[in-house]
Amino acid sequence: QKEVEQNSGPLSVPEGAIASLNCTYSDRGSQSFFWYRQYSGKSPELIMFIYSNGDKEDGRFTAQLNKASQYVSLLIRDSQPSDSATYLCAAEARGYQKVTFGTGTKLQVIP
Amino acid sequence: DVKVTQSSRYLVKRTGEKVFLECVQDMDHENMFWYRQDPGLGLRLIYFSYDVKMKEKGDIPEGYSVSREKKERFSLILESASTNQTSMYLCASRGESRGEETQYFGPGTRLLVL
Repeated sequence: QKEVEQNSGPLSVPEGAIASLNCTYSDRGSQSFFWYRQYSGKSPELIMFIYSNGDKEDGRFTAQLNKASQYVSLLIRDSQPSDSATYLCAAEARGYQKVTFGTGTKLQVIP
Repeated sequence: DVKVTQSSRYLVKRTGEKVFLECVQDMDHENMFWYRQDPGLGLRLIYFSYDVKMKEKGDIPEGYSVSREKKERFSLILESASTNQTSMYLCASRGESRGEETQYFGPGTRLLVL
């Protein structure tokens, strides 16, 4: 059973702080990784896609991938109350469009 | 700015009814997906399609079928609805835009089977 594990949270951070969201995956064949943000009552929104080891930055978001440790993380700098949402991690095996999702981490940014 | 639309936001059906959920995307994406989302279980892939008339089973295809007659449209069919199919159903399409992977979800259909 291929699994993607996330701490369900909630993770509470003060406004302006760095939020660090973590994800581990069990399938070593996973090649691509996704982070989605899902506001309550809304559908998920893709915010980061990463497939190479290392860091990928987009605005206030940085995704970090360590394939040797089977670990993906998402850092949100200068967290804002509008970042309060559930963040879903997902993994996809190479050349195979089946994406396995984690159950999500709920982030609360306290003003 | 419409990207992925789903035919209904809310549906109430009775056990044994045939249910059609439709999804349309306007981004010319080849890949389309149907998921269901349940509390504590997360998003689970039911079926996906990588081209017209092509389909692949996801992790939980039992009790569902799909149809993709046109590139922009991907339909999910519940042949005989059961109460355990009460869920939020999410359609997604995926492709590349300016060299970057993009994926968009529809707004979801909340299905209640009585």
